[in-house]
Amino acid sequence: AQTVTQSQPEMSVQEAETVTLSCTYDTSENNYYLFWYKQPPSRQMILVIRQEAYKQQNATENRFSVNFQKAAKSFSLKISDSQLGDTAMYFCAFITQGGSEKLVFGKGTKLTVNP
Amino acid sequence: DADVTQTPRNRITKTGKRIMLECSQTKGHDRMYWYRQDPGLGLRLIYYSFDVKDINKGEISDGYSVSRQAQAKFSLSLESAIPNQTALYFCATSDFRTGDQETQYFGPGTRLLVL
Repeated sequence: AQTVTQSQPEMSVQEAETVTLSCTYDTSENNYYLFWYKQPPSRQMILVIRQEAYKQQNATENRFSVNFQKAAKSFSLKISDSQLGDTAMYFCAFITQGGSEKLVFGKGTKLTVNP
Repeated sequence: DADVTQTPRNRITKTGKRIMLECSQTKGHDRMYWYRQDPGLGLRLIYYSFDVKDINKGEISDGYSVSRQAQAKFSLSLESAIPNQTALYFCATSDFRTGDQETQYFGPGTRLLVL
């Protein structure tokens, strides 16, 4: 069974600084997708970034980027120039290619951006 | 207008009552999902549907039922609510036809309290 582990229950960062959230996963599959979702206090689940396992290039979306290490089964999220609006729970998630399996979530990391 | 809507946004009910949570989407996606979020546990899949005639149980389907009334509508029912069904419920969609079935887009969530 696939599992996703986020080892940092809580983190904080100063506004404008950079922070990295960790995620590791376990799977025997070779083709899969990884995601980071953001859940602000409004509780909406917002897709931040996605990475296809077959792509070696790390995904980037504006201030958000990932460090995908397939051999190590590691998928960290880097937030640059942190903003107060980045304060949220961040969930790492995994799904096998084809989407026939469920989206497996980690337990989340609570990020607080301090002014 | 939001692509994925859920009604109601908040609901308080009593033990033993039957309630229905509704999800509608205007994204034109064929796949729909229901998840439950409990504090510290991340999101867990309750049911999913790949089209109107295809309904599948997720990891925690006991005590729940679903109905896919149309491609755009997917309802979750609690036949006889119990307090441990108090949680935040999310509907999500994905699209097999565009080849992006792995990426799921979430509604705003329904907060349910069972007394």
